[in-house]
Amino acid sequence: GAGVSQSPSNKVTEKGKDVELRCDPISGHTALYWYRQSLGQGLEFLIYFQGNSAPDKSGLPSDRFSAERTGGSVSTLTIQRTQQEDSAVYLCASSLQGAGVEKLFFGSGTQLSVL
Amino acid sequence: AQKITQTQPGMFVQEKEAVTLDCTYDTSDPSYGLFWYKQPSSGEMIFLIYQGSYDQQNATEGRYSLNFQKARKSANLVISASQLGDSAMYFCAMREGRVQGAQKLVFGQGTRLTINP
Repeated sequence: GAGVSQSPSNKVTEKGKDVELRCDPISGHTALYWYRQSLGQGLEFLIYFQGNSAPDKSGLPSDRFSAERTGGSVSTLTIQRTQQEDSAVYLCASSLQGAGVEKLFFGSGTQLSVL
Repeated sequence: AQKITQTQPGMFVQEKEAVTLDCTYDTSDPSYGLFWYKQPSSGEMIFLIYQGSYDQQNATEGRYSLNFQKARKSANLVISASQLGDSAMYFCAMREGRVQGAQKLVFGQGTRLTINP
């Protein structure tokens, strides 16, 4: 498709398990962002990729969270030893830098529930 | 301190009326950008409108306009002639300067807008 694609759309896991969330950005978009949205809250920045490198990881809440991007395209956000407070919607966005006003194009998110 | 404040958790408006969603922001950076996004029940965030801190005129995009009052640090979204499809969560967001090229946005808590027929 033409938009940002995220999978899975829903993930239910048990406390202590590891999870991987995937993001396929819009083709050609060099910048990729991960945000987290807790119930009834605004979005919280997690990490930013420019190409395959992550110059800004300042929003990752703990060292249980990590992310990578390969081939300047697909990104995976990994949460190790999940906790109940990790339950949230994880949103991925991509953008084409240098194209005037840099609009973020968001995916529909992954709803993560940690039991 | 909150960087972005949206004081209206929910709003109810009659179809075809205009609606104003409030947003105030806090920054000491002279270069910043303000955004509004719409989040329907599908969950996807949809870009609506952008205002740069140095823009002389208020931004407009179709039925959306941004009432930018720099001295008051407010960036209210105005939707004219509201439609049923406008029912959604609306988020105000700010980008401060540029951090290593990133479009790092700080979001408000959102306003849930409901359009009544």
